[in-house]
Amino acid sequence: QKEVEQDPGPLSVPEGAIVSLNCTYSNSAFQYFMWYRQYSRKGPELLMYTYSSGNKEDGRFTAQVDKSSKYISLFIRDSQPSDSATYLCAMHRGFQKLVFGTGTRLLVSP
Amino acid sequence: DTAVSQTPKYLVTQMGNDKSIKCEQNLGHDTMYWYKQDSKKFLKIMFSYNNKELIINETVPNRFSPKSPDKAHLNLHINSLELGDSAVYFCASSQEGSEAQYSYEQYFGPGTRLTVT
Repeated sequence: QKEVEQDPGPLSVPEGAIVSLNCTYSNSAFQYFMWYRQYSRKGPELLMYTYSSGNKEDGRFTAQVDKSSKYISLFIRDSQPSDSATYLCAMHRGFQKLVFGTGTRLLVSP
Repeated sequence: DTAVSQTPKYLVTQMGNDKSIKCEQNLGHDTMYWYKQDSKKFLKIMFSYNNKELIINETVPNRFSPKSPDKAHLNLHINSLELGDSAVYFCASSQEGSEAQYSYEQYFGPGTRLTVT
């Protein structure tokens, strides 16, 4: 069993839809949770991070962490075609080592 | 200005060959990483260097040898290439603070797409 599980998709939505991306994890020692966005043929770029449980909002993006359920989410409001990318969740317990999910491919059609 | 750069961008080679990938960052970071991303987009850490010192060495065949000549450069040398080494290799860097939480913000290079035939 992988430490971090993520549905690979693809997830196809029309422009303007609310998108929900999720990850589950098994290691309760994880404390820092991140979402990276990766466009095709590019390196991942950090989108959002949260520490421990709770919500964090940044523009159209909201990250949620539920440590009791070992479940994290990324919500995208008013999705745009430019949001089409692979979204990778990542988490770590310190000592630099990020553990990534497999990524969910999102396609937003105009 | 490219923050994290890698060369080459594409590498096609035959089984059994030895090849190197180079990485440079101009962000002034003191920690650098190598990741491997397979065909299913799974991104896995291979190595981490902090100030030229090896910090993380995941379960990677010893055909892979990282080298950090200074804290702005981290190279990856691969001996006796195998078909299973075909993947995209990403270099990343981050700035470590006194607490581990600062390592979340890793900056990735554009990747080197390695194809072994």
